[in-house]
Amino acid sequence: ETGVTQTPRHLVMGMTNKKSLKCEQHLGHNAMYWYKQSAKKPLELMFVYNFKEQTENNSVPSRFSPECPNSSHLFLHLHTLQPEDSALYLCASSQGTGPSYNEQFFGPGTRLTVL
Amino acid sequence: EDKVVQSPLSLVVHEGDTVTLNCSYEVTNFRSLLWYKQEKKAPTFLFMLTSSGIEKKSGRLSSILDKKELFSILNITATQTGDSAVYLCAVEKKSSGDKLTFGTGTRLAVRP
Repeated sequence: ETGVTQTPRHLVMGMTNKKSLKCEQHLGHNAMYWYKQSAKKPLELMFVYNFKEQTENNSVPSRFSPECPNSSHLFLHLHTLQPEDSALYLCASSQGTGPSYNEQFFGPGTRLTVL
Repeated sequence: EDKVVQSPLSLVVHEGDTVTLNCSYEVTNFRSLLWYKQEKKAPTFLFMLTSSGIEKKSGRLSSILDKKELFSILNITATQTGDSAVYLCAVEKKSSGDKLTFGTGTRLAVRP
């Protein structure tokens, strides 16, 4: 256990559905991240939040909408997704910014399938 | 454009063998290079390297960074079946605000 939990672990949704992924970290960290891992592609950073403020949006389509109500919780709201959005979505957290703070702890991921 | 390239893409060895995984990078304003092990889902942190020539060691795993030639290697000695995983290399930039750029990983399979 890394101290980062994600729910649900598996999700199957239709293209017209709306769903949300949840991430919670119990490590007292200040930075949280969403990554997308597709088959045979590098891990792609989607969003970064530092002290609840979004500091990075890596050209992610608007059908993915993040929300960070506090430093311990991070959501990824999904709507009108495409089949190519099927992937493993990983949440991570780190202590914060600056040198030596970037050891990121990952959650177990949510395996998303879009039909 | 920033690039992180890992080689080989996949590797099959037998228990007891020693393996060397490679990671080369091209980024501006390099800060650190990190190695992760990914078994089923979540990557787990192995090493963070910031200085050239200083080996980091943890049990049978060790890693070193060459900032002049822009690469790092991850060594695993006396491999075990539990070492089977995807090994990910990631690079952090000084101005990135915690952003990591990952390579595609090396898939290691250790046969009994």
